[in-house]
Amino acid sequence: AQSVTQLGSHVSVSEGALVLLRCNYSSSVPPYLFWYVQYPNQGLQLLLKYTTGATLVKGINGFEAEFKKSETSFHLTKPSAHMSDAAEYFCAVRDYYGGATNKLIFGTGTLLAVQP
Amino acid sequence: DAGITQSPRHKVTETGTPVTLRCHQTENHRYMYWYRQDPGHGLRLIHYSYGVKDTDKGEVSDGYSVSRSKTEDFLLTLESATSSQTSVYFCAIRGTSGGSLGGEQFFGPGTRLTVL
Repeated sequence: AQSVTQLGSHVSVSEGALVLLRCNYSSSVPPYLFWYVQYPNQGLQLLLKYTTGATLVKGINGFEAEFKKSETSFHLTKPSAHMSDAAEYFCAVRDYYGGATNKLIFGTGTLLAVQP
Repeated sequence: DAGITQSPRHKVTETGTPVTLRCHQTENHRYMYWYRQDPGHGLRLIHYSYGVKDTDKGEVSDGYSVSRSKTEDFLLTLESATSSQTSVYFCAIRGTSGGSLGGEQFFGPGTRLTVL
């Protein structure tokens, strides 16, 4: 079965510092991977996705993620944090059960705080 | 904007009462999903639909039922609400990019349900 593990339920960085949010996945097939962001009292918004092709994926708001098959990782980074990046971030993998399904498996989320 | 609305946005009800949440989409998407979000659990799939009158269970379906009598509406019903169903409920649709099985999901704004 597919699964996603997000290391660190809370991450705090200073404004201007590097943001690194960790996501490791387990998948029996080449994975489709996603990062979502959730601002307070809002729904989830897609940041970026990896399906096939280039392993470095660029998303919105200056975020990017790199698919590393050997490490089964899909970490999210941003070179310089901004106060507006404070939110909860979710990693997700497409489910696969005897064939690709139309379901996503979500991690438990990482709450990012940005200190002035 | 995937054109997803949820109603009501907030609801407080009492244990044992029936509750119905509505998800409405305006873009004729085939796949629709209901999730619940709880601290420490991320998003968990309750039920999903792959067409009118076609639905299936997710990982936390006990105590919930769904109906989809037309493409644009997906209803989630709590037959007899319990305090353990206090949560934030999100509806999602599956996008059409990435081929038939690779589409990311787009989320509605959520419904905050409190069962007293």
